[in-house]
Amino acid sequence: GNSVTQMEGPVTLSEEAFLTINCTYTATGYPSLFWYVQYPGEGLQLLLKATKADDKGSNKGFEATYRKETTSFHLEKGSVQVSDSAVYFCALSDRVTGRRALTFGSGTRLQVQP
Amino acid sequence: GAVVSQHPSRVICKSGTSVKIECRSLDFQATTMFWYRQFPKQSLMLMATSNEGSKATYEQGVEKDKFLINHASLTLSTLTVTSAHPEDSSFYICSAVDREAVSNQPQHFGDGTRLSIL
Repeated sequence: GNSVTQMEGPVTLSEEAFLTINCTYTATGYPSLFWYVQYPGEGLQLLLKATKADDKGSNKGFEATYRKETTSFHLEKGSVQVSDSAVYFCALSDRVTGRRALTFGSGTRLQVQP
Repeated sequence: GAVVSQHPSRVICKSGTSVKIECRSLDFQATTMFWYRQFPKQSLMLMATSNEGSKATYEQGVEKDKFLINHASLTLSTLTVTSAHPEDSSFYICSAVDREAVSNQPQHFGDGTRLSIL
């Protein structure tokens, strides 16, 4: 079946540091890939997405590139802010079966210190 | 943009109580909604797929008699936790798919309901 593996957190960075959160996946065919962010006590917000190989999703300074050859979708940001502190989830949806439910990674907590 | 409203945001109740959680799509119609459960510091696990006008599809290991799902209209799905017990305490999140969206469009999530059973 489908699965998503994320690096374990928490990830603690100083403000303006470079961020990478690794995400790899296992899926049939070519899934759509997503990064969601969850702030404390809130639901999930879509951060960015990519639907095919070599697509780059970007939003609010975050980027992730759909790498089919390495089955990866790593999240990056060049300069993090305290306000980026949250839990980040990598997810995929299965386009082969048409199953729209998302398969999530375990989440990575990011803590940015001033 | 699309908004999904989930209510209530927090519930604290006694063991044995049944609790209903509503998930509404505010500016789009959703033939499909999903219910997820999130344990502390863990990921979201799909509980069931709610289909408008038909029975919900439950994931393996989820008791359908315990977690009743009703999707009576294109904008509303409800999850009822029947005879809730402390082990049912969790964060429940719904999501909805715009019926007009193509297959690779993202789901829209509610803000979640934190259920605490005493």
